[in-house]
Amino acid sequence: NAGVTQTPKFQVLKTGQSMTLQCAQDMNHEYMSWYRQDPGMGLRLIHYSVGAGITDQGEVPNGYNVSRSTTEDFPLRLLSAAPSQTSVYFCASSSSSGPADTQYFGPGTRLTVL
Amino acid sequence: AQTVTQSQPEMSVQEAETVTLSCTYDTSESDYYLFWYKQPPSRQMILVIRQEAYKQQNATENRFSVNFQKAAKSFSLKISDSQLGDAAMYFCAYRSYTDKLIFGTGTRLQVFP
Repeated sequence: NAGVTQTPKFQVLKTGQSMTLQCAQDMNHEYMSWYRQDPGMGLRLIHYSVGAGITDQGEVPNGYNVSRSTTEDFPLRLLSAAPSQTSVYFCASSSSSGPADTQYFGPGTRLTVL
Repeated sequence: AQTVTQSQPEMSVQEAETVTLSCTYDTSESDYYLFWYKQPPSRQMILVIRQEAYKQQNATENRFSVNFQKAAKSFSLKISDSQLGDAAMYFCAYRSYTDKLIFGTGTRLQVFP
């Protein structure tokens, strides 16, 4: 059982480059989300989706785009990378958006923007 | 806005001893959930334990238990019989029907043999 997978595990970008962080889950979960983790700040919500075709902004959405064309996939796009986006990115999923449902996290992507 | 505060950046414990990690939160909601997540050096976020605010009884999962004080908005994690594998970052988190998952800043736990 793969659970939540993320690719790549590590990435180095130059300022202004674009890239897409991939996230996929095989649990047929409706709710998916992206977080960033910075030292001393815990995890902060970037964007989330309650189902295919539906996305919304979280706490720190600026500089990131998302789309949800299938239940399984929820890619995160950086259109023009900035050093402030250097962080560890986590994708998570749960069966619904209800607070009781356990969120399952992917292994994370460490992104460095030079 | 709801906030989660972990006032202990680092804690340490001797193997086989007990340690308590603190967490406080601020909310005006009456129905919500609280969580403790473990993040070992592998970076994987692992759910340790969770508590529903409406339940009086403190949650327990093997060596992990919580002390949930709703009026004081306190949610501490007790790890009994600490093991070397318990060394990790521990994050307290809050979620309600109107709020997404909100994390504290984490406590780094070291376990000494």
